[in-house]
Amino acid sequence: EPEVTQTPSHQVTQMGQEVILRCVPISNHLYFYWYRQILGQKVEFLVSFYNNEISEKSEIFDDQFSVERPDGSNFTLKIRSTKLEDSAMYFCASRTSKTGELFFGEGSRLTVL
Amino acid sequence: DQQVKQNSPSLSVQEGRISILNCDYTNSMFDYFLWYKKYPAEGPTFLISISSIKDKNEDGRFTVFLNKSAKHLSLHIVPSQPGDSAVYFCAARKAGGTSYGKLTFGQGTILTVHP
Repeated sequence: EPEVTQTPSHQVTQMGQEVILRCVPISNHLYFYWYRQILGQKVEFLVSFYNNEISEKSEIFDDQFSVERPDGSNFTLKIRSTKLEDSAMYFCASRTSKTGELFFGEGSRLTVL
Repeated sequence: DQQVKQNSPSLSVQEGRISILNCDYTNSMFDYFLWYKKYPAEGPTFLISISSIKDKNEDGRFTVFLNKSAKHLSLHIVPSQPGDSAVYFCAARKAGGTSYGKLTFGQGTILTVHP
């Protein structure tokens, strides 16, 4: 069964460092998303991406965050200067159509020290 | 953000019995509701959904009920199996525009099914 894959599974970084989380969505999917879950809290929407541009973003997704789809297969989330509060599990998700089911990856755990 | 609430952090059920997981929402703009299941070290997996024009949707052992007037939905699992033990998230979305992929999640309920 096709799946969304994410790398790395766990990354530890120092505060202030840049981090790039990578995702390979399911191949025929057109809509891409990042969500995150801080330990003990809800899964929260960060950003949606379609047709090579951001279609919606949450308040969390400030100027420190960016997304891109550089090569037609990878979908990346960059955090320019990490803060302690960015420590969370980051989930990539994709869907084939506007109203189709969301498929989530296994997540990338980011620990900021 | 308390737009979607799952007030029971955990539920313990005997194998073969019914599991009922509850979810409340406050935003009347939500028109589509989903349940996701999550095992440790995995991402959420879609389980079942319901549109606001329906009050029930069934898929095998899983049934979701929606009470719009009470802004309440529930997931019934019958019969429960030990493999159902996981965290269950209720999620909701608003119709239209770019919002289809923007889900608002509840806190999750840990379901434990004992053999």
